[in-house]
Amino acid sequence: NAGVTQTPKFQVLKTGQSMTLQCAQDMNHEYMSWYRQDPGMGLRLIHYSVGAGITDQGEVPNGYNVSRSTTEDFPLRLLSAAPSQTSVYFCASRLQKPGLAGVRGYNEQFFGPGTRLTVL
Amino acid sequence: RKEVEQDPGPFNVPEGATVAFNCTYSNSASQSFFWYRQDCRKEPKLLMSVYSSGNEDGRFTAQLNRASQYISLLIRDSKLSDSATYLCVVFEGSSASKIIFGSGTRLSIRP
Repeated sequence: NAGVTQTPKFQVLKTGQSMTLQCAQDMNHEYMSWYRQDPGMGLRLIHYSVGAGITDQGEVPNGYNVSRSTTEDFPLRLLSAAPSQTSVYFCASRLQKPGLAGVRGYNEQFFGPGTRLTVL
Repeated sequence: RKEVEQDPGPFNVPEGATVAFNCTYSNSASQSFFWYRQDCRKEPKLLMSVYSSGNEDGRFTAQLNRASQYISLLIRDSKLSDSATYLCVVFEGSSASKIIFGSGTRLSIRP
């Protein structure tokens, strides 16, 4: 059981380049999401998905696309990289339905190790 | 006003001390509350859920005050290994599909 995996761990892009950050989970979680983390700003939600074929925008979706063709995979695409997209990106997954109080772990979000992206 | 606000710290306390931090949230309909811990350059990990009646997990105590819309985390007998950033997390929405993170409180424990 690998949990949530992300690739690559590090990436440097030039302005205008495109790339895809990969995210996969093997816990059969319905809910998956992408966050970016910038100093002093906490984690901000980019896009999320409540199941295969269903995606929606989060707080900061501009410049990013997602798709969810399978339960396991949730790639994040940068269409035309900009320096403002320099950040640490985390993918996360959890069971979709809110858990019962006292059932530890039912609502727990599991995060991947992150991708550190620099756009020059 | 941010939806979830935390004192960024840093809190710098000696080993063995008790330290507490709060987190306020703006949406009174928020449903679930959590504390996550994030070590430097690592991913966040769940520390504990926060229940209405308050709950303890070893040296950690979490409290929820719905009337004043804040949650708190108390760490007793702090250890060097408690040094980390603590993130307040709030779930909103009918199926808790909206998850909001505070920007985190940095805690540093000194020997």
